[in-house]
Amino acid sequence: DGGITQSPKYLFRKEGQNVTLSCEQNLNHDAMYWYRQDPGQGLRLIYYSQIVNDFQKGDIAEGYSVSREKKESFPLTVTSAQKNPTAFYLCATSLAGTQYFGPGTRLTVL
Amino acid sequence: AQSVTQPDIHITVSEGASLELRCNYSYGATPYLFWYVQSPGQGLQLLLKYFSGDTLVQGIKGFEAEFKRSQSSFNLRKPSVHWSDAAEYFCAVVPTSGGSYIPTFGRGTSLIVHP
Repeated sequence: DGGITQSPKYLFRKEGQNVTLSCEQNLNHDAMYWYRQDPGQGLRLIYYSQIVNDFQKGDIAEGYSVSREKKESFPLTVTSAQKNPTAFYLCATSLAGTQYFGPGTRLTVL
Repeated sequence: AQSVTQPDIHITVSEGASLELRCNYSYGATPYLFWYVQSPGQGLQLLLKYFSGDTLVQGIKGFEAEFKRSQSSFNLRKPSVHWSDAAEYFCAVVPTSGGSYIPTFGRGTSLIVHP
């Protein structure tokens, strides 16, 4: 089955720690995205990548970093510089404008 | 830059009643238009999309949406709501120029269904 997997489903972080969220796809899509979702705020774009070894900042990139070494993978690191990281994180791919979403990772800072 | 407005934060309907969720956009031309649905704690699922042609588009789960250029709207409708339709609904627009296909999402409308 083609799809997008995100792991872990739940993640707990202590203040000052970096954590990495995994996103893997087997849809063979070139473009991948990371969104942050907070209640009542919709989806906000963190980073996106339209091709391997290239990525661009979105609207709220501060405190986050990404890499795109393989077409299938687009991991997101939430660094200690992100002051309020507790949120639901969604990974997506895109084909001709249509977005396909993973199941999400809920990150909680303890 | 484009923008999307979903004016209703919450909508409550009775099971079996009709539904209309509003979406207005701002963009210099006709964008690509989408509706997605999200159940609690899950990712978004595509309901339907409009690229061009017939302004009334059919989607999954019995949903439809109508594109009205004069009103810059893309409202989502369903003639009879089921309890399983309770979820968050997001309208999105994607620009048709520039080639980046970066979407802008509305803030979402939460649908509550009463038995």
